[in-house]
Amino acid sequence: GENVEQHPSTLSVQEGDSAVIKCTYSDSASNYFPWYKQELGKRPQLIIDIRSNVGEKKDQRIAVTLNKTAKHFSLHITETQPEDSAVYFCAASTGANNLFFGTGTRLTVIP
Amino acid sequence: KAGVTQTPRYLIKTRGQQVTLSCSPISGHRSVSWYQQTPGQGLQFLFEYFSETQRNKGNFPGRFSGRQFSNSRSEMNVSTLELGDSALYLCASSSAGTSGAKQFFGPGTRLTVL
Repeated sequence: GENVEQHPSTLSVQEGDSAVIKCTYSDSASNYFPWYKQELGKRPQLIIDIRSNVGEKKDQRIAVTLNKTAKHFSLHITETQPEDSAVYFCAASTGANNLFFGTGTRLTVIP
Repeated sequence: KAGVTQTPRYLIKTRGQQVTLSCSPISGHRSVSWYQQTPGQGLQFLFEYFSETQRNKGNFPGRFSGRQFSNSRSEMNVSTLELGDSALYLCASSSAGTSGAKQFFGPGTRLTVL
């Protein structure tokens, strides 16, 4: 089955700096890659996603890049703010709505 | 539209018992997926239902089962509970039946097995 690895497990950045989280996947059949943000005690919230026919996607301060050849994808957050502090999960899907998640990255933005 | 809802939000059971959790998807969504979240194993896919049919199943024992009704509401059942079943159970709904459809999560049911 699909195996998704995520790094780093924790990340601390100064407010205003950029944060980058990286994920790799094992199954070349994976074709959908969403990112979720989960604040403490809350549900995972979809923040951005990318499909395998696209190399990069941007939404305001958030961007995701995908390298199908290398089987890795990354989340980039620019101009970080304290409210960006949360756990971020990457995921990959090989079929109908079955997401395989990375282990999560705890991002702390220091004011 | 109202978001995904799950009931109950919290549940305490003892080993050997069984439990049923419920998930109501966003109106119009026909796909419901279930996930287990634990500190040790992270988020793991349990199964997915679309139009009352289970299409995908994760690597969980047969004690974990589910179903979907004609109104797209879904239930999952765990029989013969074990301590290791303590977790946050999340469901997610999606409008499309194909890969690449956005999944929206409910608040989860926190199950504690004593």
